[in-house]
Formats: sequence, C-alpha cells, structure tokens
Amino acid sequence: ELKVEQNPLFLSMQEGKNYTIYCNYSTTSDRLYWYRQDPGKSLESLFVLLSNGAVKQEGRLMASLDTKARLSTLHITAAVHDLSATYFCAVPLMKTSYDKVIFGPGTSLSVIP
Amino acid sequence: DGGITQSPKYLFRKEGQNVTLSCEQNLNHDAMYWYRQDPGQGLRLIYYSQIVNDFQKGDIAEGYSVSREKKESFPLTVTSAQKNPTAFYLCASSISPGDEKLFFGSGTQLSVL
Repeated sequence: ELKVEQNPLFLSMQEGKNYTIYCNYSTTSDRLYWYRQDPGKSLESLFVLLSNGAVKQEGRLMASLDTKARLSTLHITAAVHDLSATYFCAVPLMKTSYDKVIFGPGTSLSVIP
Repeated sequence: DGGITQSPKYLFRKEGQNVTLSCEQNLNHDAMYWYRQDPGQGLRLIYYSQIVNDFQKGDIAEGYSVSREKKESFPLTVTSAQKNPTAFYLCASSISPGDEKLFFGSGTQLSVL
C-alpha cells in the first residue's frame, strides 16, 4: 500500500529565511504533484513533476523529484507572508491507468514578519 | 469560465439522514474524484470515476455512495451508515484517469447536528 509522508508537518519561519519541506513515499512512482491550500479553501496545483531529476521553479518555490530515493523536496527561498498555507504532496499509484492519487498529510507553513 | 462547482458550501446533517453533495464540471474531463479532508489532515479518497456509468471505491468508501450518469456530474451521498461524517469534502477532476493535474472544487463543509 502506498504511503506518503511529509516532514515537517508544521513549520514556522521568519520572512527572508530559506527552508525545505520533504515528501517521501513508500512505493515506486515516476511522478509527484505539489498542491497549496489556504485555510478553508480548495487546493491549487503548484507543480507537476513527471520524471526522475525533474526540477520546477515558480517564484520563491522550487520543487524537485528523486524517484530512486522516493523523495521530493519543496524549497522555499526568502519566505514572504503570502506563502503561509498548507502544502501537500501527492503521488499516483503505479497502475496502468494511474487512477488513484494519494496525498501526504500536509505541511502547515506560517511565515512570520 | 470552466471549472468545478460544488454545492452547497455548508451542509448540516441530522442523525439518520442521508445527504447529497453536488459536484458539476464543465471542463469536459473524463475522470472525477471525491476526497474527504479532516482537520489538520491530508486528503483521503472516497470514490473515483474514470468514465460515465463507472466508478470505483477508494480507501474510505464505507457509508458513502456515488453515481455518474452524466460526464459533467458526480454527486456524493453521505448515508446514515457513515457514523462520523463531519469533514471537508472536495471534488476533483482530471482530463483522463491518471492525468497529472487534478482540478479541485471549492469544497463542502459537512457537519452533524
């Protein structure tokens, strides 16, 4: 059974600082997704990582995927308050139709002025 | 504007009552999904559908039922057999099963009276 873990679950950081959120998963998959959720809101797609070694950047966020280590990282550079949200990684099961996507527990990020 | 519409935004259920959550999409997506989110936790898959008139159980299907009579619609019924229904319910869709990007609705908060 596929399990997806995130570390840390809660993160409080000062504006301007850098930090990395980790996502690891228990079975083979060649892709991984990152989502952002603001309190009481729906999920917004951030990154789609489709292969080993994939790296994507959007503003102050950069995501990478190492399928051999079954690990993805979400790096935050020079954090600003607007980045405060919960971040989820999600992994599709390795079936022929990839028809199930399993989410991690989420990392709640608070950026403090 | 294309998107996924969930209604209602808030729903209250009395003990022993069945309630239905609506999910409609005009994105012409084949695949649709229902997730449940408990406070401070990740998303758990309830049901998913790859095509009209077909759907499959996810990880926590007990106490729930769905139908997929039209491509655009994937309603979720929370039955009286679901003893702990209070949660935030999210509907999602993707172009095809296993497509990398899930589009989410705005969610329905279900509470028990």
